[in-house]
Amino acid sequence: DQQVKQNSPSLSVQEGRISILNCDYTNSMFDYFLWYKKYPAEGPTFLISISSIKDKNEDGRFTVFLNKSAKHLSLHIVPSQPGDSAVYFCAASANFGNEKLTFGTGTRLTIIP
Amino acid sequence: SAVISQKPSRDICQRGTSLTIQCQVDSQVTMMFWYRQQPGQSLTLIATANQGSEATYESGFVIDKFPISRPNLTFSTLTVSNMSPEDSSIYLCSVRSGQSSYEQYFGPGTRLTVT
Repeated sequence: DQQVKQNSPSLSVQEGRISILNCDYTNSMFDYFLWYKKYPAEGPTFLISISSIKDKNEDGRFTVFLNKSAKHLSLHIVPSQPGDSAVYFCAASANFGNEKLTFGTGTRLTIIP
Repeated sequence: SAVISQKPSRDICQRGTSLTIQCQVDSQVTMMFWYRQQPGQSLTLIATANQGSEATYESGFVIDKFPISRPNLTFSTLTVSNMSPEDSSIYLCSVRSGQSSYEQYFGPGTRLTVT
């Protein structure tokens, strides 16, 4: 039972354009969400998070949007840069982050120069 | 954020043997986590290790197969016992940042191949 889903296994975006990565979840107890970036041979790197009391959180080029009614979140990267090429995982937690993280299957983002 | 190192970074092991993976953190942390990422799959939590208590295992993972030690607030080990090719994965440890209780920071991982 995959409680966190990333339905796009891969995405290609031109450098300078906006990258939009999507994530859906099924467990209504999830109330804290995180995005991680992973390069080959490295551990995941924390990018940005959002609590269910918000619908948007912004940090530089990265913005996460949360639609609780649709159980959907998205990560926007603008402008996209070649160094953004990586696998992106969304993760979810209950009890405002105090419970374990449940990860999605990942989306491989490729930025085309 | 915490700096986390893991040893070994990779290994190739024979089936039936065991491998112990070490995780070292540069600051004291209460909770450490061990994850597995099988080829082409997502990260799956194996267990949570608190210093001074028994590790808490997730469904599908048992202590006999994945014994964990947590002798102090900066160190933990995960042993993969009696290995089979299905154990070929990347094993990662993570910690919660002391500045935020919600975000987890990961080590570089240990890539294990069982032949």
